[in-house]
Amino acid sequence: GAVVSQHPSWVICKSGTSVKIECRSLDFQATTMFWYRQFPKQSLMLMATSNEGSKATYEQGVEKDKFLINHASLTLSTLTVTSAHPEDSSFYICSARYRNTEAFFGQGTRLTVV
Amino acid sequence: AQKVTQAQTEISVVEKEDVTLDCVYETRDTTYYLFWYKQPPSGELVFLIRRNSFDEQNEISGRYSWNFQKSTSSFNFTITASQVVDSAVYFCALSEGFTGGGNKLTFGTGTQLKVEL
Repeated sequence: GAVVSQHPSWVICKSGTSVKIECRSLDFQATTMFWYRQFPKQSLMLMATSNEGSKATYEQGVEKDKFLINHASLTLSTLTVTSAHPEDSSFYICSARYRNTEAFFGQGTRLTVV
Repeated sequence: AQKVTQAQTEISVVEKEDVTLDCVYETRDTTYYLFWYKQPPSGELVFLIRRNSFDEQNEISGRYSWNFQKSTSSFNFTITASQVVDSAVYFCALSEGFTGGGNKLTFGTGTQLKVEL
């Protein structure tokens, strides 16, 4: 099956700093990637959808200037949490698909902002 | 708008009991996909099943079985002879459209299953 790798698996950062999370498709070209966020003991909510070479489409209520998404290649998308604060602490998980096929999830990144 | 409801927040069973996790969905699309995922404490999402809206046939995979009923917009998941390793949060999810389920997913709120000895 298709493999999506997310890095890092967990990260701790200081309040006010930025952190970058990578999502890579290892054995297919990801024309579309999705970023989800999951707060503790809650469901997963879509943050944004990115198509290779285009600007990401953000869901309502998600700050695009705070959560920068770059999908510059067919195998890599990055999510940068800028000026992170404790309330940004969450589990972030990506999924990727090739054209009109099913999407596959990465293993997720647990972000803790202290 | 699409919506997924998992009314059971938490279920506790004793090992070897059968347990059914409920999932009710709402969508205006005639083409859609339904999923179940398992999320253990480590956090990763473990894919269990994908079912498209044109296939109402029930499915069995080992101790797992799924009952899809379009008439009631439900896609329930049953674990037979539950085991401690089944303890996890289970999510039902919906994807609208023709993309093999590759469109954005709307997740239910999840059901925490605890299987005790």
